[in-house]
Amino acid sequence: EAAVTQSPRNKVAVTGGKVTLSCNQTNNHNNMYWYRQDTGHGLRLIHYSYGAGSTEKGDIPDGYKASRPSQENFSLILELATPSQTSVYFCASGGDNNYAEQFFGPGTRLTVL
Amino acid sequence: QQQVRQSSQSLTVWEGETAILNCSYENSAFDYFPWYQQFPGEGPALLIAIRSVSDKKEDGRFTIFFNKREKNLSLHIKDSQPGDSATYFCAANYGSSGNKLIFGIGTLLSVKP
Repeated sequence: EAAVTQSPRNKVAVTGGKVTLSCNQTNNHNNMYWYRQDTGHGLRLIHYSYGAGSTEKGDIPDGYKASRPSQENFSLILELATPSQTSVYFCASGGDNNYAEQFFGPGTRLTVL
Repeated sequence: QQQVRQSSQSLTVWEGETAILNCSYENSAFDYFPWYQQFPGEGPALLIAIRSVSDKKEDGRFTIFFNKREKNLSLHIKDSQPGDSATYFCAANYGSSGNKLIFGIGTLLSVKP
């Protein structure tokens, strides 16, 4: 049973449109993360959360919002999508320990035309 | 500003050889260094990790050598197999809460049979 799932797996959006990427975890982890992966940049942290109701800015938060309505769900919202946000997005969950493993979902490939 | 550097974006070895993937970092406050392995179309998964109090961590064919004074580490994959072909990310823990990780850009390893 996959512990971190993402939907949709692929998405094509138009410039200026609103996009919501969803993530669900069954690990009962407090911490959840949104990353984007681009060639030459590796994985970069966009937003993260310590628990339901909390969201924090990561290293590249501009143009993105996040929502954590419950322990299990963490969404990434692009209010006005731009072509520069074309990327692969990964959600992860992890425990509270400083050395806790992060468990990644399968990713969402987003193309903004 | 690349706080975690991976010196090679790609590496090719023959089956049975030892693959050596290098990583360096800037922030002496980093104290936990996981390596994540990613196969095409999947999310990254933790392979092996080391804390800065150790200079070596071994797990089967995978070994991390860590040099705190030089701020570098390397992942050695002994007896490389074609199934080891993947992208390997070096990462470092920063921030005392939320277990945030900063990732290098990744090294694409190809193991030729």
